[in-house]
Amino acid sequence: QSVLTQPPSVSGAPGQRVTISCTGSSSNIGAAYDVHWYQQLPGTPPKLLIYGNNNRPSGVPDRFSGSKSGTSASLAITGLQAEDEADYYCQSYDSSLRGSGVFGGGTKLTVL
Amino acid sequence: QVQLVQSGAEMKKPGSSVKVSCKASGGTFSSYAISWVRQAPGQGLEWMGRIIPMLGVANFAQKFQGRVTITADKSTITAYMELSSLRSEDTAVYYCARGSHITGELDYWGQGTLVTVSS
Repeated sequence: QSVLTQPPSVSGAPGQRVTISCTGSSSNIGAAYDVHWYQQLPGTPPKLLIYGNNNRPSGVPDRFSGSKSGTSASLAITGLQAEDEADYYCQSYDSSLRGSGVFGGGTKLTVL
Repeated sequence: QVQLVQSGAEMKKPGSSVKVSCKASGGTFSSYAISWVRQAPGQGLEWMGRIIPMLGVANFAQKFQGRVTITADKSTITAYMELSSLRSEDTAVYYCARGSHITGELDYWGQGTLVTVSS
C-alpha cells in the first residue's frame, strides 16, 4: 500500500493527451512538500521528468507537464508518442513519517 | 557530467547482510543528499533512506529502522547502504540517486545493483 495513490494503468492513442493522478494527504502533498515525477523504461533506472510540481529538467520535452492542487498532483502528457510507453512514478515527502521520501505505486502508460 | 556508479550484483543467504556502494563523480555534491531506493521484481519504487555526505546526517524510512545503515565517505563522495537480516523479500534492484536535500527531487541515478536473497 503506497502512501501516494496512482492509477495502475492509463492508455492513449498516439497524438492524444493523457493524465496521471497522484493522490496524497495533508501530511505529504497537502503539507506543501513538492511533487516530483519519474519515467522508467524497462530495465533502466528511473529518470527525473518533472521536479518541484511543474518544472522540467533540461532535455525533457514540453509535452510533459505537472501540476499540483491541495493533496493531489497530476502529470499530463500531450501529443502521445510510442516512446512514452513506460512506468511513471510520483514522489514526495511525508511529515508523519519523519520527513521520509514516499513514492506512488506507479502507473503503466500504454500507447495504443 | 554527474555519474553515480554502483557496486556489482550480490547473491546472499537469508539472515546475512549486504553492503552496496555508490561512487559519485562530476557536478557538485556539497548541497546534495544521496538517497537509496529499491525496486522488487515487477514492483514499484520504495524509498529507503538518504544521507547528506558533507554532513554525515542520515535518515531512514521507518520500515527499515534497525536493519539499514547508510554511511558516506565525503573525501571520495561514496555512499554505502548496508542491509542486515536479509530475507527473500529483500530481493530487489537497489538504486542510489542524488537529490537536493532541500527540494528533494532525485536528479541523477546509479545503474542499480541487483541483490538476490536465496538459500
